[in-house]
Amino acid sequence: DAKTTQPTSMDCAEGRAANLPCNHSTISGNEYVYWYRQIHSQGPQYIIHGLKNNETNEMASLIITEDRKSSTLILPHATLRDTAVYYCIVRALNNNDMRFGAGTRLTVKP
Amino acid sequence: GAVVSQHPSRVICKSGTSVKIECRSLDFQATTMFWYRQFPKQSLMLMATSNEGSKATYEQGVEKDKFLINHASLTLSTLTVTSAHPEDSSFYICSARTRQGANSPLHFGNGTRLTVT
Repeated sequence: DAKTTQPTSMDCAEGRAANLPCNHSTISGNEYVYWYRQIHSQGPQYIIHGLKNNETNEMASLIITEDRKSSTLILPHATLRDTAVYYCIVRALNNNDMRFGAGTRLTVKP
Repeated sequence: GAVVSQHPSRVICKSGTSVKIECRSLDFQATTMFWYRQFPKQSLMLMATSNEGSKATYEQGVEKDKFLINHASLTLSTLTVTSAHPEDSSFYICSARTRQGANSPLHFGNGTRLTVT
């Protein structure tokens, strides 16, 4: 699976949009981009995934660049409860498992 | 949505004893489950892939005789840490994928914090 690069940490003000970038410049055509988050002492929570089109659900939006080499997860109105480590993972269709990098520690501040 | 339940959430055991952790998919059948381990301030590390009715596949460096995995049904996988030592103290997390679609996401349990004294 393609390697991903994320900033180590980010801060965001409560109520503002949180934009979390992810670089996956070696992504190949059959690899999807997945986002998870992990709140302290809990298991990872699935957020969203996509292949090449932008995606939106009740939690977030995923913007994938046209060349698919990077993506951005957008939490439109961050709350204190969104403070967590956010993981961007690239996985191919023929791979069963999911491997985590270091992620971005997002801190939402009042 | 898909729910994965893990039990127990916390366990403390003495060095040399064995501990069993259960992972259940509550509302779907999971032919494959995954076991991860997470040390403090580190990311999740995949330990093994558990396939229903067959032997688990272990990642390099993970001792299969120490971390016994059984996946006897489509809804239950167990991880047994045998002869536990303090260095096995960690956060163990299981996950499973629904059958629907090759791109379907993994769903994770809430983890088991193991402390070996």
